[in-house]
Amino acid sequence: DIQMTQSPSSLSASVGDRVAITCRASQYISSFLNWYQKKPGTPPKLLIYGASTLFSGVPSRFSGSRSGTEFTLTINSLQPEDFATYYCQQSYTTLYSFGQGTKLDIK
Amino acid sequence: QVQLVESGGGVVRPGGSLSLSCTASGFTFRAYAIHWVRQAPGKGLEWVSLISYDGFNKQFADSVKGRFSMSRDNSKDTVYLQLNSLTVEDTAVYYCARDSRASESNYFDSWGQGALVTVSS
Repeated sequence: DIQMTQSPSSLSASVGDRVAITCRASQYISSFLNWYQKKPGTPPKLLIYGASTLFSGVPSRFSGSRSGTEFTLTINSLQPEDFATYYCQQSYTTLYSFGQGTKLDIK
Repeated sequence: QVQLVESGGGVVRPGGSLSLSCTASGFTFRAYAIHWVRQAPGKGLEWVSLISYDGFNKQFADSVKGRFSMSRDNSKDTVYLQLNSLTVEDTAVYYCARDSRASESNYFDSWGQGALVTVSS
């Protein structure tokens, strides 16, 4: 099975900051990597698919990139509504495993 | 609009069984694979299972293999998850999600609101 490892597990930042969250796959997954935002009591929301394609309606301050088996979600100019938990997910195999999550909270 | 609605959650004793349903609307249900994902209290997201658009391909996480099963009725736009031999570790909110595809990538673009399953004596 493919293991997805996110770092950091938690992150504190201020409104207006730029933050980056990293996800590393245990094996080659091409660019089959998705990012989701999760807030308590609500289902996950898709942000980025295919490592770098912004999903419809997602603000352009979110971006994704890939370097080998390492993937990065970057959020520019953090907004109050961005404080949430972020998950990566591989879709290279049909057992679509998730990373353990990165909780982003307000400093 | 695209909508997925889970039902059937509740409280069950260890060793018991429960059935969840996920009913879709707003899209051609029979064209899409559907997944279940769960989140235990205070934990992250865990992929649970998949059923293909036609119901012939089903896959399960190792943590539930042999205990959970999936089926679908495309005439009712509904997917079912049967949970058997439940343990306290199965306590979670269970989400169903639609598997969509674009540019050769698969992703979950629509999710239900979740159904809470509590396993407790």
